[in-house]
Amino acid sequence: GESVGLHLPTLSVQEGDNSIINCAYSNSASDYFIWYKQESGKGPQFIIDIRSNMDKRQGQRVTVLLNKTVKHLSLQIAATQPGDSAVYFCAERNSGGSNYKLTFGKGTLLTVNP
Amino acid sequence: SAVISQKPSRDICQRGTSLTIQCQVDSQVTMMFWYRQQPGQSLTLIATANQGSEATYESGFVIDKFPISRPNLTFSTLTVSNMSPEDSSIYLCSVEDFDSQETQYFGPGTRLLVL
Repeated sequence: GESVGLHLPTLSVQEGDNSIINCAYSNSASDYFIWYKQESGKGPQFIIDIRSNMDKRQGQRVTVLLNKTVKHLSLQIAATQPGDSAVYFCAERNSGGSNYKLTFGKGTLLTVNP
Repeated sequence: SAVISQKPSRDICQRGTSLTIQCQVDSQVTMMFWYRQQPGQSLTLIATANQGSEATYESGFVIDKFPISRPNLTFSTLTVSNMSPEDSSIYLCSVEDFDSQETQYFGPGTRLLVL
């Protein structure tokens, strides 16, 4: 199971700066990864995904980087805006076999200062 | 992506009672999931609900405490039984994207407080 802590890692940035949110995943067999954004009082919202046969994928203002060697995932947000303030979760999945389970990381609280 | 709604959005319940949470999707989906998110923490999968079969529960979660129904391809319920204050959490349903069969999309959650 996923270990969780009482305190979320936090990242505070100025509006307009670029943000980088990091995630270390646990299972070397994981081959699919998702970043979610969760605003206060809402459910997680899909941002971007990446499969293990890629090391970079870009979306609108967001880029996900995958380093399988060190089992590390990062989410880069360009020109961060106050509306980007939220908790960001990475999730991993091993698509092999019959296990459809997503395993979530602890989350990072991003605060954007105007 | 599918549009997912949950009822109720929030509730305050007395210990010892039960609450049934509904999850409705606007399109047919094969896989539906129920998660728990305790205050300030990450998401933990409770169970996977497939239409026409028994739900599959994760370690630490049992059917007597969290019975699940999945009567059709657009609807599921999760019941939190014999509640205690430790059950105070956000309960989220999610669905697997029909096309990719990988991405999961989440409902808005049900915020439960047990007194």
